[in-house]
This record gives sequence, structure tokens and C-alpha cells, in this order.
Amino acid sequence: EAGVAQSPRYKIIEKRQSVAFWCNPISGHATLYWYQQILGQGPKLLIQFQNNGVVDDSQLPKDRFSAERLKGVDSTLKIQPAKLEDSAVYLCASSSYREGSSPLHFGNGTRLTVT
Amino acid sequence: AQSVTQLGSHVSVSEGALVLLRCNYSSSVPPYLFWYVQYPNQGLQLLLKYTTGATLVKGINGFEAEFKKSETSFHLTKPSAHMSDAAEYFCAVTLYGQNFVFGPGTRLSVLP
Repeated sequence: EAGVAQSPRYKIIEKRQSVAFWCNPISGHATLYWYQQILGQGPKLLIQFQNNGVVDDSQLPKDRFSAERLKGVDSTLKIQPAKLEDSAVYLCASSSYREGSSPLHFGNGTRLTVT
Repeated sequence: AQSVTQLGSHVSVSEGALVLLRCNYSSSVPPYLFWYVQYPNQGLQLLLKYTTGATLVKGINGFEAEFKKSETSFHLTKPSAHMSDAAEYFCAVTLYGQNFVFGPGTRLSVLP
């Protein structure tokens, strides 16, 4: 099966600019996650979707970050305006969620550098 | 809320030596536990998971982990390290499949 697809792989922007990341999960996976991974740290959950509804966005900085999953398939994460501390790898993951122990399948991530 | 700690941000072993990466969790109820590996410029790949039943879990690439409820631990081991095992390793915990929480990671170096 095809894995989780993410684009772009790398993005360099100046602070206060906007940026968008795209994710296409594994076909049939109902649950989609966006994680932020700062260098040297573990991934931190930003938002979790179940189909096209938001399950958990408690750690999403909503003043600058937004995410959507139209039609319950692919998803877009946007940052506007970007800050220096947003420099990180943004990982998308999906899960079949047939049971609570279903693992996450990750894409290769988008490395964002804010200058 | 659940949490994960990984003792040792960097572990170095010689090729052929035992690998031991430590993971301890905090959870109000028995969680599901996972180990993931991350190679440079890649996403995380599942090594193994514990759900219920047998406490010794075998994964890919010769890795295994043992769930010890009394110690709230889920340490990852491999009898003999290979150069290709050099990577970042993350322990993760979830309750009912919601909000996977990851530890800070341990970087494994394998010396020739």
C-alpha cells in the first residue's frame, strides 16, 4: 500500500510570512494527525482528525495555526504569520483506528525553516 | 494525562554489543505502548507495540521490548547491535488510540 504522502519536503520562509503543508493519508485511514517535531525533541501533537471532524486540537496555537481535512481524506496545515520558533519538522500520520492499538503511520515530514 | 520519559538522550554501543533503551510511562490505566525508529530526514517507523497479553513483544530488525506493569516500564533491547541500527528511537503511549504521546527520544550510536 502507498504510504502517507507529504509535500513539500523542505520550506524556507521569512518570519511573518505564511506557509501551507499538505498531507495525503493511507487510503482508508479515518484518523489523521499533525505533529510538530522540534530538533532534538519528540513529536508533539498539534491536531487530530477523525474523518473530517476535529478530535483534539488542544495544543494547536490557533492564533496562527489552522488545519482542515475536507472530505475526510487529505489535509492542509497552515501557519500565518510564521514565527522563528515555528522552525521544526511537521509530520503527518494516519491510522485505521479499527481498534485503540492501531499504530500511527508517518509521512517523511516537511522541514520548515523560518528566518 | 499520560507521559513518557526516556532515560539517556544519547546511547553509544559497540557493534555486536547489547542495545538497551529505556522507557518509563505514567498513566492512570494500562496503556498501549509503542517503539518507533526515525532515520535522518525520514518519518517515524513502527518497531513494535504492546497491547495486551504476552508482556515480551518482538518487533522488526531483531528488536524486542518487555512490558513491566509494576515498574511502569517498556524497555527496548536488541542482543547484538548493527551499524544500521544507528538512529533516533521514540517510545510512545496512548489510551484507547487517542492522543499518542511521545517521549523525547534516544539517539543510538553504533561504534565499529
